[in-house]
Amino acid sequence: DAGITQSPRHKVTETGTPVTLRCHQTENHRYMYWYRQDPGHGLRLIHYSYGVKDTDKGEVSDGYSVSRSKTEDFLLTLESATSSQTSVYFCAISESDRTQETQYFGPGTRLLVL
Amino acid sequence: AQTVTQSQPEMSVQEAETVTLSCTYDTSENNYYLFWYKQPPSRQMILVIRQEAYKQQNATENRFSVNFQKAAKSFSLKISDSQLGDTAMYFCAFMNNNAGNMLTFGGGTRLMVKP
Repeated sequence: DAGITQSPRHKVTETGTPVTLRCHQTENHRYMYWYRQDPGHGLRLIHYSYGVKDTDKGEVSDGYSVSRSKTEDFLLTLESATSSQTSVYFCAISESDRTQETQYFGPGTRLLVL
Repeated sequence: AQTVTQSQPEMSVQEAETVTLSCTYDTSENNYYLFWYKQPPSRQMILVIRQEAYKQQNATENRFSVNFQKAAKSFSLKISDSQLGDTAMYFCAFMNNNAGNMLTFGGGTRLMVKP
């Protein structure tokens, strides 16, 4: 399962409050990603990281920030949560073998913003 | 930017039969990877199969195989001998390994395997 955990697994919060989701990996992968999944959509990339303190924006980055102070942890922060950020959030790592890259996903976090 | 399209929102198949899920994509890149992921009701994203664009041979994984048509930008998934456990959402995804190995997903196909 690529050793990926996410916390919390479920969260209910109110509009305007800050929220931080954590992704933890145990296998020292360089690349980590945050996606969101909404009905009618596949997963869409929010932010990704290519090393400690190295991050970049994805397709739907507005309203989100990320941090990576250690290889094993990638944090996603909603500075002021809005109802449009109600979603399922997935973390992923990118694993390389001799020929290609493959992304493996964590179990997801269900976030409800009231 | 890449786009991935899955034109079949829902499909059903009888147990033990074969079903094919469609996926098309648009890119100007020449080197890339394509994936099919399965998402059962547990919501876990599970890798089903992957294909390198530079390989002409279609990938296979047990009952799962792909038909990769690079010129047509088509990447369909065939599931043989369908099982009840194959019931899930299936997502096609594109990876440009020149852009942070990011995945672009299609909208998904919901597959129901009927007993």
